[in-house]
Amino acid sequence: AQTVTQSQPEMSVQEAETVTLSCTYDTSESDYYLFWYKQPPSRQMILVIRQEAYKQQNATENRFSVNFQKAAKSFSLKISDSQLGDAAMYFCAYRSANSGYALNFGKGTSLLVTP
Amino acid sequence: GAGVSQSPSNKVTEKGKDVELRCDPISGHTALYWYRQSLGQGLEFLIYFQGNSAPDKSGLPSDRFSAERTGGSVSTLTIQRTQQEDSAVYLCASSLYGGPTDTQYFGPGTRLTVL
Repeated sequence: AQTVTQSQPEMSVQEAETVTLSCTYDTSESDYYLFWYKQPPSRQMILVIRQEAYKQQNATENRFSVNFQKAAKSFSLKISDSQLGDAAMYFCAYRSANSGYALNFGKGTSLLVTP
Repeated sequence: GAGVSQSPSNKVTEKGKDVELRCDPISGHTALYWYRQSLGQGLEFLIYFQGNSAPDKSGLPSDRFSAERTGGSVSTLTIQRTQQEDSAVYLCASSLYGGPTDTQYFGPGTRLTVL
C-alpha cells in the first residue's frame, strides 16, 4: 500500500510571506496522481492543486504551486503571498492511476497565518 | 449547483447504539466514497461505490460497518453497536466517473461522538 508522510504537524507564516509544506510518499507505481487538499474549520475538504506523475512541469494555481520531485518521491506545496484565509489543515494525498478510486492521505499540516 | 451534502452535521450517541449517516452526492456523479477522519489523523478510506458495480468495501474496519447506495444516488453509512473508537468525522465525497483523473468533491462531514 502507498503511504503518504507529512512531517510537519504545524507550520506558521506571516501574512504576505511564503510558506512551503512538505510531503513525501512511498510507491512502486510509475503512474499516479498527487493532490493537496485544504480543510478549513468548516471541515469541508477543498482541492487546492493536482499533479499528474507523468507531467514534468510543476502544477500552479494562482498563489499555490508545487515542487514535484518524482525520483525523490517528494511533493511540496508552496503558498505565496499568504492570506489569513489560507489558515487551515492541509492534506497531501496520493491516488493510483490503476486502481483509480480511493485517495491515500497524509496526516496533515496545520497552517497558522499571523497578521 | 449544489455540492455534496451530509446529515446530520453532528451526532452524539451512546455506546452500543446503531447510527446512520447520510450522504447526498452531486447530481450526476456516479462515484461515491466514504472516508473516516479520526482526531489528529488523515482521512482513512472506508468504502467506494461506482455506478451499479459491487462496492469496494476493503476499507471498512469491522463488520459493524456497512453502507448502501440506493438508486445510484443517496448513500447511507450504518454503524452497528457503536464503540468509543468509532468517534470521528465521517466524510463523503463524490466524483463524476470514479476514474483516477476525477476530482473528488467532499461534503462537510458528520461528526460522530460515541459516549
